[in-house]
Amino acid sequence: DTEVTQTPKHLVMGMTNKKSLKCEQHMGHRAMYWYKQKAKKPPELMFVYSYEKLSINESVPSRFSPECPNSSLLNLHLHALQPEDSALYLCASSQGASSGNTIYFGEGSWLTVV
Amino acid sequence: QKEVEQDPGPLSVPEGAIVSLNCTYSNSAFQYFMWYRQYSRKGPELLMYTYSSGNKEDGRFTAQVDKSSKYISLFIRDSQPSDSATYLCASQRQAGTALIFGKGTTLSVSS
Repeated sequence: DTEVTQTPKHLVMGMTNKKSLKCEQHMGHRAMYWYKQKAKKPPELMFVYSYEKLSINESVPSRFSPECPNSSLLNLHLHALQPEDSALYLCASSQGASSGNTIYFGEGSWLTVV
Repeated sequence: QKEVEQDPGPLSVPEGAIVSLNCTYSNSAFQYFMWYRQYSRKGPELLMYTYSSGNKEDGRFTAQVDKSSKYISLFIRDSQPSDSATYLCASQRQAGTALIFGKGTTLSVSS
């Protein structure tokens, strides 16, 4: 099973709302990632968690707040977003070990900010 | 210069053709190389994974990495209309670090 599950699949939120995106994997992976993808562009890295600790933050605005409650779960908390934040948000996971580092993506959460 | 360069195409081929997709990279520290296929409005699906240099084959797909020239290739044999998608190459320095993508190449296979 190489499944990364993301919920919700679609989310519409106002600029004053607070919402969260959720990601779950049961492959025993120890590295988890959030990527943002705009139309006709490649995914862009936002955050990396390695062994449940935030290891990379690609200068993402504070209106995006990641959280890794345990090794299987990854959340992305959203607050006071802008319309330009509308995009496909992708979660991914990998073993996080030196060998066998395949990275699997979920189907993504489509976010529309109105 | 972007760390991973990929010609976005589009690339159109007839069914049954051999497709060659290519990327170059600039960071000699990259060790992990992946190819993803992404259908419209879906997440990227891992197709091929290579650690360091060499060839890897899986069915109709062959991935090649030449670290001396910093060149990454994906070959698709006997292409099918269902192969029509965007193909993304990606590279990573070490486990748990940023996976850097190329722009993606849009492929269309006509029947």
